[in-house]
Amino acid sequence: RKEVEQDPGPFNVPEGATVAFNCTYSNSASQSFFWYRQDCRKEPKLLMSVYSSGNEDGRFTAQLNRASQYISLLIRDSKLSDSATYLCVAVVPNDMRFGAGTRLTVKP
Amino acid sequence: DGGITQSPKYLFRKEGQNVTLSCEQNLNHDAMYWYRQDPGQGLRLIYYSQIVNDFQKGDIAEGYSVSREKKESFPLTVTSAQKNPTAFYLCASSIGSAGQGSGYTFGSGTRLTVV
Repeated sequence: RKEVEQDPGPFNVPEGATVAFNCTYSNSASQSFFWYRQDCRKEPKLLMSVYSSGNEDGRFTAQLNRASQYISLLIRDSKLSDSATYLCVAVVPNDMRFGAGTRLTVKP
Repeated sequence: DGGITQSPKYLFRKEGQNVTLSCEQNLNHDAMYWYRQDPGQGLRLIYYSQIVNDFQKGDIAEGYSVSREKKESFPLTVTSAQKNPTAFYLCASSIGSAGQGSGYTFGSGTRLTVV
């Protein structure tokens, strides 16, 4: 079983839609979590940290459910520029474990 | 501007050849990492270093070697022992150990192809 699992998608949504991604992690010792965004053939870039209480950054909301060991990312009012692959990350001692990513395409 | 620079952007390796990928950062970060990314898979850790002159193997270190002689530099050598080296290689750095608050900063990557 992979340490961090994500639905690979693709998710194809129209502009303005709300879309949600889930991610599950297997290491119950993981304390910190992140969402990264990766454009095609580019490096991952930090999108946001995920806090126990949940956190919001503009159109993006991240939630953590420790009991069920999953993390979610909600994107509201999708823009064409949101098209990318979204990587879920769980932190373990001395390393971060990356999911394989969920691909999002926002269409006009 | 501070950041991480990887070079070259594209690299072609012949069978049996060693090649070295460069990674330099001017962020004054203590920790540096090398990851490999293959299609449909998450990033996999090759090596990491938390201080100068010290480094640790990651999950897939076989066929790779590193050095950390300077805080700013963490080059990766892909040796002939690595049988399937074609991949996208990403270097990253962080202020402290992994996941301490700020996450990683990544370089723009090196795409290695065996010819």
